Amino acid sequence: EVQLVESGGGLVQPGGSLRVSCAASGFSLSDHYIDWVRQAPGKGLEWVGRSRNKANGYTTEYAASVKGRFTISRDASKNSLYLQMNSLKTEDTAVYYCARDTPRVGTSTSGMDVWGQGTTVTVSS
Amino acid sequence: QSVLTQPPSVSAAPGQKVTISCSGSTSNIGNNYVSWYQQLPGTAPKLLIYENNKRPSGIPDRFSGSKSGTSATLGITGLQTGDEADYYCGTWDSSLSAVLFGGGTKVTVL
Repeated sequence: EVQLVESGGGLVQPGGSLRVSCAASGFSLSDHYIDWVRQAPGKGLEWVGRSRNKANGYTTEYAASVKGRFTISRDASKNSLYLQMNSLKTEDTAVYYCARDTPRVGTSTSGMDVWGQGTTVTVSS
Repeated sequence: QSVLTQPPSVSAAPGQKVTISCSGSTSNIGNNYVSWYQQLPGTAPKLLIYENNKRPSGIPDRFSGSKSGTSATLGITGLQTGDEADYYCGTWDSSLSAVLFGGGTKVTVL
């Protein structure tokens, strides 16, 4: 079965750090773009960042709200991807989802066809 | 406030049709594919439409997507109580180098 499973969420104090994980099964992460998308309580979807596939050098992009604080990395041996979050703020409190996208050559998005169940990050003192 | 503009809510009776608009600009909708997502309460988003107007396997043909210029539209026909959910449009913005989502539209079946 093709699926993504997030883990590693929890409670962290403002200014702290946390790493959340996204493990893939049923397919190879290296063939796909992976996006991180978050949803604050009662709010809409907010894109956090992206890791492109191996063919595109695993390059990354970040939303302005997290650039310089969040970093996406991959471990091909574990078929997993990580979101390292530093200097956390209360406004980073959200459910964090990872999602798969597979854009056609020459395009930047096709649509996110596989989503994880989400992991909750709470930033509070 | 989102760069992609959606109406906050739409409603209709069972069996009727609703449409949800998503308005953007040339740097996003105008030059990139649009996708649509359904989010039922307490669950992860689910892809309904990809590449403007294509349905993934398992999505009924009651759901349709279209794009014209810098706007896109999701249509739902034969509305059912199970369609009550939040719906989001999404695309890439070439100027921002970022994925954008609309603010979301809540569909209510009267």
